[in-house]
Amino acid sequence: KNEVEQSPQNLTAQEGEFITINCSYSVGISALHWLQQHPGGGIVSLFMLSSGKKKHGRLIATINIQEKHSSLHITASHPRDSAVYICAVLNFGNEKLTFGTGTRLTIIP
Amino acid sequence: DAGVIQSPRHEVTEMGQEVTLRCKLISGHNSLFWYRQTMMRGLELLIYFNNNVPIDDSGMPEDRFSAKMPNASFSTLKIQPSEPRDSAVYFCAVGGDPSSYNEQFFGPGTRLTVL
Repeated sequence: KNEVEQSPQNLTAQEGEFITINCSYSVGISALHWLQQHPGGGIVSLFMLSSGKKKHGRLIATINIQEKHSSLHITASHPRDSAVYICAVLNFGNEKLTFGTGTRLTIIP
Repeated sequence: DAGVIQSPRHEVTEMGQEVTLRCKLISGHNSLFWYRQTMMRGLELLIYFNNNVPIDDSGMPEDRFSAKMPNASFSTLKIQPSEPRDSAVYFCAVGGDPSSYNEQFFGPGTRLTVL
């Protein structure tokens, strides 16, 4: 069992739909990272959070430390949101990230 | 934009050749990370440096891989000799600011193909 599990692995939705991507982890962490990787390959940091909720534009990330779970939400989804979304956790005591396998999101116009 | 430049962006080489990947940092960060991404294994940490010192190289596959950070703005990852199974995208990332939970910022990556 991976330390970091994401669901779903693949998600296709119509433009405008509300999107939720989930991340569960099994170890104690100091923070959780949401990353976005576009088809061109570049990796962009979306959020780094250790508690509660963060919002940036149409993106919202939440984390529940007790339940070891985080969600990434996209409101009013758009085709340009099509990408792979990767959850990564920062383990206590060091700077190493442990990555989930990613969720491939496709938004259809 | 954390200002991470990687070169080359694409590299095609033949098995047995030496390959050197480069990472240049524009902005100052305490930590530098080398990752490898493949379809089969996703993103894997190879090695990371803090203040130019290697902290954890447990992800380096074998002795064919070596990494250096001679100063705060430059690092190299070398593979000698290269093998087809080394084909992957290699990312350099920076981080290490505790006030931002050690958030990491990635370079554009180097796509390596070993024939």
